[in-house]
Amino acid sequence: GNSVTQMEGPVTLSEEAFLTINCTYTATGYPSLFWYVQYPGEGLQLLLKATKADDKGSNKGFEATYRKETTSFHLEKGSVQVSDSAVYFCALSVNTGTASKLTFGTGTRLQVTL
Amino acid sequence: DGGITQSPKYLFRKEGQNVTLSCEQNLNHDAMYWYRQDPGQGLRLIYYSQIVNDFQKGDIAEGYSVSREKKESFPLTVTSAQKNPTAFYLCASQRQGVRSEAFFGQGTRLTVV
Repeated sequence: GNSVTQMEGPVTLSEEAFLTINCTYTATGYPSLFWYVQYPGEGLQLLLKATKADDKGSNKGFEATYRKETTSFHLEKGSVQVSDSAVYFCALSVNTGTASKLTFGTGTRLQVTL
Repeated sequence: DGGITQSPKYLFRKEGQNVTLSCEQNLNHDAMYWYRQDPGQGLRLIYYSQIVNDFQKGDIAEGYSVSREKKESFPLTVTSAQKNPTAFYLCASQRQGVRSEAFFGQGTRLTVV
């Protein structure tokens, strides 16, 4: 089956530190990969995505590269801000016949302090 | 503006009652999903629908029911058979096709009192 594994949180960083959140996946078929962000009490928002191997998704200073050989999609940011504090979810989408189905990781909480 | 709307934002239910959570989208998406999120946990799939008048059970469908009579609407009923319904419920929609991202509503927080 399909699955997504994320590093456990919380991840606590000082402002302007470098961020890496690891994500690896298993999938039957060729998945698309996504990172979502969830702020307290809200739904999930798409942060970035990549649809084929070696693609790099980027948004708001965050980046992730689709690595098929290592089945990974690690999230990085060079300099985090307090406003980046949130829960980050890695996800994949794979075709299941006539449909596609999303699978999410368990989420990683990021706390950024001054 | 196109988007996905969940209502209400907060819902309180007495034990033994059924409650229905609303989810409406005007994105013309074929696929819609319901997820449950418990504190500090990831998302667990309850039900999903890829087309009108058709839906499939997810990983934790017991105690829940859905309908998909219109493309825009995918209501979730939490029945009295759901023994631990207090949670945050998220609805999502997705354009058909594996390359498409899902769009989420703002969520409904259900509390059993």
